[in-house]
Parts: sequence; C-alpha cells; structure tokens
Amino acid sequence: NAGVTQTPKFRILKIGQSMTLQCAQDMNHNYMYWYRQDPGMGLKLIYYSVGAGITDKGEVPNGYNVSRSTTEDFPLRLELAAPSQTSVYFCASNKRGLADSYEQYFGPGTRLTVT
Amino acid sequence: GDSVTQMEGPVTLSEEAFLTINCTYTATGYPSLFWYVQYPGEGLQLLLKATKADDKGSNKGFEATYRKETTSFHLEKGSVQVSDSAVYFCALWRGGADGLTFGKGTHLIIQP
Repeated sequence: NAGVTQTPKFRILKIGQSMTLQCAQDMNHNYMYWYRQDPGMGLKLIYYSVGAGITDKGEVPNGYNVSRSTTEDFPLRLELAAPSQTSVYFCASNKRGLADSYEQYFGPGTRLTVT
Repeated sequence: GDSVTQMEGPVTLSEEAFLTINCTYTATGYPSLFWYVQYPGEGLQLLLKATKADDKGSNKGFEATYRKETTSFHLEKGSVQVSDSAVYFCALWRGGADGLTFGKGTHLIIQP
C-alpha cells in the first residue's frame, strides 16, 4: 500500500491564483481530513469527509473547498489564493467502525507559499 | 472548546538523557489521547495512544499515562537517542466525526 499520497510537494502561487491540492489513499478508509500547519502552531482542521459525497467544515474552512466523489480521493481547492494561506497542508485518513480505528494516517504534506 | 497545551520548545537534550514533554488538555467527556511524531520533511506518525483513564500507551521506548485527575498525558523516555530528534504533537479526539485537536508541537533536539 502507498498509504496517503499528496501532490504536489511544493508550490508557489501568486495572490489571486487558484489551485487544487491532491490527496489519495489506498487503504479503503472512509474518513478523510485536511489540516493546515502554520509555523509554531499545531494542525488546524480545514475540512473533513465521512464518505464519498459527504463533506463538512472544520475549524478553518474559509477560502477552501473540497469534494469527495470517490472513497480514494479528497482534493482541496484554493480559490483566489491569499498570503494567509501560506502553510503546510496535510491530508489524513482513517477507517471508522473498527475497534482500533482512532489512528489517523497522514500524507507527507504540501508546502504552499502565496506571494 | 477542546484544547491541548504542551510545553514550548525547542527542548535540547544530550543523548541518553531522560525526556519529559508535558501535555495537558481541556475537553468535555472522555477523550482519547495521542502522541504523534513528525520527522523533518515528513507527515505525522502515531507514536502512542491511550483511550481511557489510567491507560498507559507505549512505543519505541516512549510512554505516556492518561491522567484524568490532572487532565494530563505527559510523554516520557528513559534514554533518548539522536534519532529521536523530531517535533512531537499531543492530540485528543472526543469521538465525533471531525478530526483531532492538536497542541502546538514541541521540537526536540538530541545532541550526541
């Protein structure tokens, strides 16, 4: 298994540009999450999904959109990028419904700079 | 709302020293508690967890005990190695559909 994969690893955007951060998992996990990590801060939840076709806002959803058309993929869309969105973005997933399903599996992250 | 507070870093220790990273939490109910580790350039990996009061999580020589009376989950290791250098995150999960609540992370540096 590849686990949770994210692309790209790095990206520089100009203010006002848009882009999609890709996330995929091959573990048949039903729950998927997007977090952002700012320097010296913990991770903040942006959006999450409990299954294909179902998404919900987390703590910091403004400026982002998500979709979940398949179990495997959970892309994060940035519209009209702003410098405040400069961060490292992590995708995570887990399997709910099993006894030991608390562990979230994280991707390697996408480092985004908006200038 | 829920919150996790952990000691500020960086924490710098010599190899073979004893490690403690403090973590306290605020949450309603009975959350599950976790320590995640992030090595340079990588995503987070689960280090250990505890799901109820007085549980002790352990892995790779690290331990943490879920103390409900003090709302704490301090991470300890008896003898650290250079390879333990990383950022350590304490986190909680209250069992809902949403994600984990993380502390700010503690950067640990082990010198040979």
